[in-house]
Amino acid sequence: GAGVSQSPSNKVTEKGKDVELRCDPISGHTALYWYRQSLGQGLEFLIYFQGNSAPDKSGLPSDRFSAERTGGSVSTLTIQRTQQEDSAVYLCASSSARVVETQYFGPGTRLLVL
Amino acid sequence: KQEVTQIPAALSVPEGENLVLNCSFTDSAIYNLQWFRQDPGKGLTSLLLIQSSQREQTSGRLNASLDKSSGRSTLYIAASQPGDSATYLCAVGGATNKLIFGTGTLLAVQP
Repeated sequence: GAGVSQSPSNKVTEKGKDVELRCDPISGHTALYWYRQSLGQGLEFLIYFQGNSAPDKSGLPSDRFSAERTGGSVSTLTIQRTQQEDSAVYLCASSSARVVETQYFGPGTRLLVL
Repeated sequence: KQEVTQIPAALSVPEGENLVLNCSFTDSAIYNLQWFRQDPGKGLTSLLLIQSSQREQTSGRLNASLDKSSGRSTLYIAASQPGDSATYLCAVGGATNKLIFGTGTLLAVQP
C-alpha cells in the first residue's frame, strides 16, 4: 500500500517568507509525528498528533512554528517569517498505535532559506 | 532530559565482516528502542523495534539487543554487504512514542 508522502520534496524560500509543508500519513494511522533533521542538531522531534489533537508540542522551536491536522489524516506544518536556521529536512512519520509501534517515515521536505 | 549517543560515528569495514554498532541512552524509562537506516537523500527505514520488556530482536542478518538497566543497545550485522552502507540511527521512544534519536553511525562496507 501507499506509504507516507510529503510535499513539496524541495522548497527554497527567502528569509522572512512563510512556508507550508504537507504530510499525508498512511491511511488509518491515527498517530502522526513531525521531526526535523539539520546538520547541527541531528534529528529532533517537533510535534505529535493523536487524531486531530496535538498532546505533545514540546519540540516546536519557536512560536513561528505551528502545525495542524484535519480529518485525522493530512497534516500541515507552517513556518512563519522563515530564518536561515530553519533550513533543514522536515520529516513526517505515522503509526497505527499510540505506544510501542513502528513509525513509518516519509521521504521528507528539504527546506532551504536564503 | 533523555540523551542518546551512538558510537562509533563512522565505520568502514570490508565486505563479509560482522560488525557491532552501539547506542547508549541516559534515561532508562523508555517504552521501546528502534534502529533505523537512512540512505542519502531519503527518509528513514525501520529495521528493528525492541519493546521495553524485550531483550533482543532479530531480522535476517540483523540482531538488536537492549539492556534497559545499563542504558545500552547494540545492533549486530552479520556478513556485511556493500548494500548495508548507510547511516544507522537508534531512537528511544517514550510515553507518546516520541522518538529521541542518536547522532547516527555512518557505515561503509567496502566490496
